[in-house]
This record gives sequence, C-alpha cells and structure tokens, in this order.
Amino acid sequence: AQSVAQPEDQVNVAEGNPLTVKCTYSVSGNPYLFWYVQYPNRGLQFLLKYITGDNLVKGSYGFEAEFNKSQTSFHLKKPSALVSDSALYFCAVRDTGGTYKYIFGTGTRLKVLA
Amino acid sequence: NAGVTQTPKFQVLKTGQSMTLQCAQDMNHNSMYWYRQDPGMGLRLIYYSASEGTTDKGEVPNGYNVSRLNKREFSLRLESAAPSQTSVYFCASSEGSARYEQYFGPGTRLTVT
Repeated sequence: AQSVAQPEDQVNVAEGNPLTVKCTYSVSGNPYLFWYVQYPNRGLQFLLKYITGDNLVKGSYGFEAEFNKSQTSFHLKKPSALVSDSALYFCAVRDTGGTYKYIFGTGTRLKVLA
Repeated sequence: NAGVTQTPKFQVLKTGQSMTLQCAQDMNHNSMYWYRQDPGMGLRLIYYSASEGTTDKGEVPNGYNVSRLNKREFSLRLESAAPSQTSVYFCASSEGSARYEQYFGPGTRLTVT
C-alpha cells in the first residue's frame, strides 16, 4: 500500500536557525510529492512539489525540499526560520496506481521560538 | 478569482439529521476532492471526482454521498449524521495534469451531537 510518514509530531526551532521537517514515502513507480502548510483555522496552502527533474525544489516563502530516491524521503527545509513559519505542515504523494488520489501524512507542527 | 469556496463555515447537527456541504471552484479544474481532518490523523480522502461526470470512493466513504453537479461544483451529503462524523471538512481541486497541486477551500467545521 502506498503511504506517507511524517515521523515527528512537532518540531521546535529557534528563530534564525535552519529548519527541517521530515517526510518519507512508500509508493511504487515514480512519486509525485508535495508539501502544504496550514495556518490555524485555514485550509491547506500549496508550498512546493517534486514531479521530475532537479532533486532540490524551491517553493513559496523561502522553503525548499530535497527529493532523495534512495532514502525515499522528501524533507522540507528552510535556511532561516521565522516566527511566522509556525504552522502545521503536511507532506503528500499522488497515487501512482492510475487514480487521481493523494495520500497525506499526519502532519508536523512547526513551532519557531523567538 | 475566489479559488475554492465552501459553505457553510460552521454547522451543528443532531444525530440522524442530514445536510449537504457545498463546494465550488472557479479555476476550471478537472478534479475535485472531499477530505476530513481529525486531530492526529491528517487528511483522509472521503470521495473524489477525477473529472466531470465521475466520482469514486476514497479512504473513508461510509456515511457520505457526493454529487459532481458540473465542472465547478462538488457537494458532499451526510444522510444521517453520527457523532463520529464530527470533523473539519475540506474541499480541494486540481487541474489533474501538468499542474498536480491541490487548492483547498477554507473548510467546514461540523459538530454532530
């Protein structure tokens, strides 16, 4: 079965420090991978995606993610965290079995401390 | 360009009552989705519509029905609400090809007592 794992329920980081939010996936075939952010009482917002090409993808608000096929990972990173980055982050993968479904991880709450 | 809109924003139902959650998108997207979000469980797919005229079950379809009314609108119906359906419901849409990312509505917070 295809799945996405976000091993950390919460990540705390000091403002100005680099941040990493982890995601690993299990799919057959070539994965389409996504990161979304959710602020309180809001819907999810798209941050970035990996479909093909360069393993390092850049997205909104200074975020980037590295696709690592051998480790089946797609970790979200930012060089310098802001307090305003505090939110819930979701990793997702598009089903590779010919459907149009997406599988989401359980989310990681990022808390950036001033 | 409103993106994805959902109505209502909040709803309280008694067990056994029915209701329909409405969703519309103005981005000319082919695919639309209904998810529920529960603490610690991420987003779970209820139903989706890959294109106008088609609907398919997701991970947790029991107790729900959907209608893809036209390309813009995708509604979710609870025929007989149960307390286990207390959740936040999100509608999403995507182009379905080339641009695969999903765009989400603001959500409907449903409480069933």
